[in-house]
Amino acid sequence: QQQVKQSPQSLIVQKGGIPIINCAYENTAFDYFPWYQQFPGKGPALLIAIRPDVSEKKEGRFTISFNKSAKQFSLHIMDSQPGDSATYFCAASKETSGSRLTFGEGTQLTVNP
Amino acid sequence: SAVISQKPSRDICQRGTSLTIQCQVDSQVTMMFWYRQQPGQSLTLIATANQGSEATYESGFVIDKFPISRPNLTFSTLTVSNMSPEDSSIYLCSARDSGYTFGSGTRLTVV
Repeated sequence: QQQVKQSPQSLIVQKGGIPIINCAYENTAFDYFPWYQQFPGKGPALLIAIRPDVSEKKEGRFTISFNKSAKQFSLHIMDSQPGDSATYFCAASKETSGSRLTFGEGTQLTVNP
Repeated sequence: SAVISQKPSRDICQRGTSLTIQCQVDSQVTMMFWYRQQPGQSLTLIATANQGSEATYESGFVIDKFPISRPNLTFSTLTVSNMSPEDSSIYLCSARDSGYTFGSGTRLTVV
């Protein structure tokens, strides 16, 4: 019930490509779905987050698509750049009850020049 | 969102010793969290630390091994006690304000 499954484990794209990372959750009580970006030697940094009352959210080149009925959400990175090479984590929580984040396994993204 | 200062950023420690990691938040937050992250892997929650109450530990983590202090709404410490090489990892603190913010981590190597 508390798991968040993330795929793929790793992803390599060319500059300008659109990498897509997918996550699936089980607990229907989750109401907050953030994505984090982590560079080596740094802590995770919040990239974008969505709540289940919307199906899509866009911030700059990053878009979250959310499918409540399928209990899935995904991150799309438009016009990807080598500087986007990092590890990406999806997560979920019951924010309204102040609970902790449950993280996916992570996706190591490499954007080749 | 809150900014977290975590220190030390890295340390190499002898087995059997203890290390205390500090996290300072630039604003008052109710909830703080401590995570462990093995290189290349996801984050594993150690415990949740609320000011004024005992920390709540996740399965597999115990207070004797990972004592936590939360003396006020802007500060917390995690101690890794009686260390062994298996404790070598990255330790991260996190605070919940408008979202969940993370410190930059402490890379611990036990020799």
